[in-house]
Amino acid sequence: QKEVEQDPGPLSVPEGAIVSLNCTYSNSAFQYFMWYRQYSRKGPELLMYTYSSGNKEDGRFTAQVDKSSKYISLFIRDSQPSDSATYLCAMRSTGFQKLVFGTGTRLLVSP
Amino acid sequence: EAQVTQNPRYLITVTGKKLTVTCSQNMNHEYMSWYRQDPGLGLRQIYYSMNVEVTDKGDVPEGYKVSRKEKRNFPLILESPSPNQTSLYFCASSMRPGQGGVSGYGYTFGSGTRLTVV
Repeated sequence: QKEVEQDPGPLSVPEGAIVSLNCTYSNSAFQYFMWYRQYSRKGPELLMYTYSSGNKEDGRFTAQVDKSSKYISLFIRDSQPSDSATYLCAMRSTGFQKLVFGTGTRLLVSP
Repeated sequence: EAQVTQNPRYLITVTGKKLTVTCSQNMNHEYMSWYRQDPGLGLRQIYYSMNVEVTDKGDVPEGYKVSRKEKRNFPLILESPSPNQTSLYFCASSMRPGQGGVSGYGYTFGSGTRLTVV
């Protein structure tokens, strides 16, 4: 079983839709949770980060962590064609250097 | 501009011919890491370094070497490349966790090196 599970998609939505992206994980030691966005032929870029449980909002993006369910989500409001990319969740334990990634969900937002 | 720079971006080579992929960061980060990205497998860590002259294996280190002689540079060496090392490679760097608050736990990635071994 993988430490982090993520649906690969693709997820296709019309412009303006609310998008929900999710990951589940098995390691209860994970404390730091991140979402990366990766455009085609580019490196992943850090989009959102949260510590432990709770919500964090940044513009159109909201990250949620539910440690009791070992489930994290990224919501994108008013999705735009420029949001079309692969979204990777990543997690890290306190004191450990390694980021563990999900395999990524490909999102397609059509005009 | 704060960045991680990898070279080359694209490389086609033959089996057994030694190659080096360079990586440099200008953010004075202590941690550096190499990942490979393959379809369906995601990003997997090859090697990491927590400081100068301190390196250790990640999840898939076989067939790779690294060195960290200077803080800013972390080259990846394939001494005898094989076709199963055909992949997209990323170098990444981060602060020591805790230095930058929660954001210090995230890695900054380079643009990637697409390697094909024939």
